[in-house]
Amino acid sequence: GESVGLHLPTLSVQEGDNSIINCAYSNSASDYFIWYKQESGKGPQFIIDIRSNMDKRQGQRVTVLLNKTVKHLSLQIAATQPGDSAVYFCAETFPGGTSYGKLTFGQGTILTVHP
Amino acid sequence: EPEVTQTPSHQVTQMGQEVILRCVPISNHLYFYWYRQILGQKVEFLVSFYNNEISEKSEIFDDQFSVERPDGSNFTLKIRSTKLEDSAMYFCASSPRTSTDTQYFGPGTRLTVL
Repeated sequence: GESVGLHLPTLSVQEGDNSIINCAYSNSASDYFIWYKQESGKGPQFIIDIRSNMDKRQGQRVTVLLNKTVKHLSLQIAATQPGDSAVYFCAETFPGGTSYGKLTFGQGTILTVHP
Repeated sequence: EPEVTQTPSHQVTQMGQEVILRCVPISNHLYFYWYRQILGQKVEFLVSFYNNEISEKSEIFDDQFSVERPDGSNFTLKIRSTKLEDSAMYFCASSPRTSTDTQYFGPGTRLTVL
């Protein structure tokens, strides 16, 4: 079946620490993965994405790692700031068949950054 | 920076009433989506729309739901006869060229059915 899930529902860190948010997916046909950040009362905001032909991608203070062997995705946030406090969702999609960009979201991890 | 906009931000309606949620996707985007998020739960796909027709829909998107692109800029979601369980945040999203391009989300409409 298709499912995306998260190992940890909450993560609490100190400002300046590095944060790691994890995600497991079950559909080996998925080829595109995205991390979204959702602040209270707002829509999901794109952070970073990765395609299945890569295992690592870096952005500004964020890195996404993809381990296709164990179907695991992680988001690393360097030097976490209070403004990073939000719910983080991973999402997956896969091409072909009847899929036209449908994103399947995980449950979300609440990241709280303490000053 | 272009962004997806949605109106209204909050809609309160009585059970059984029709509601129309409106979205203006990013101009020159070709794929449009509606998702919903029940309070405290994950975001769920409802429907995708391309070339003036539905590309894919979920089991949630039953006969009570419809989508329309009435002109070159708006994209609407209509719920014909709302139920209590339709209360949720509804997000519109759009992506540029293909269904696997990044989807950009609007701020959402909070629908409350009484």
